[in-house]
Amino acid sequence: EDQVTQSPEALRLQEGESSSLNCSYTVSGLRGLFWYRQDPGKGPEFLFTLYSAGEEKEKERLKATLTKKESFLHITAPKPEDSATYLCAVLYFGNEKLTFGTGTRLTIIP
Amino acid sequence: DADVTQTPRNRITKTGKRIMLECSQTKGHDRMYWYRQDPGLGLRLIYYSFDVKDINKGEISDGYSVSRQAQAKFSLSLESAIPNQTALYFCATSDHQGGSSYEQYFGPGTRLTVT
Repeated sequence: EDQVTQSPEALRLQEGESSSLNCSYTVSGLRGLFWYRQDPGKGPEFLFTLYSAGEEKEKERLKATLTKKESFLHITAPKPEDSATYLCAVLYFGNEKLTFGTGTRLTIIP
Repeated sequence: DADVTQTPRNRITKTGKRIMLECSQTKGHDRMYWYRQDPGLGLRLIYYSFDVKDINKGEISDGYSVSRQAQAKFSLSLESAIPNQTALYFCATSDHQGGSSYEQYFGPGTRLTVT
């Protein structure tokens, strides 16, 4: 069964305190890994797609990286407006559906 | 204007009632999806459609039906609503035409409460 596990479930950081969120997935057959941001009561907002180990994508204070077993979302010098739930999703070859993790709820304290 | 719109945004209904949630998109994408989100369970796929003539069940399709009226419109129906269908419902789209990148784009959601 395809599985996507995100950790930690929740993370509280001081403003400016950098950290990383983790997304681990079943090893074989990865077609793509996706990161989303979701604010309370709103739809997930697409951030990044990663396709192969070693790939990196950046957007403002966020950088996503991919290895053969997991992905990291690095948050550098976060601001309170970065507070949200961050979702990871995986697409495998031979399966046309995304498998979502349950997310990491990030809170940045001013 | 939003690329993916959902109506209604909030709905309260009674057990046993039939209800329809509607989704429209202006992105020109071929694929559309319906998900529900519950606290602690993440996003779960209800139905998905690759084009107007292709409808597929997701992991939790029991109690739901869908209709793809046009490439841009995909509606979700609850035939006889029950309280455990209380959730946040999202429509999403993706583009698989001509070497695309497979990411899905989500609507703003419908908060459904069944009493």
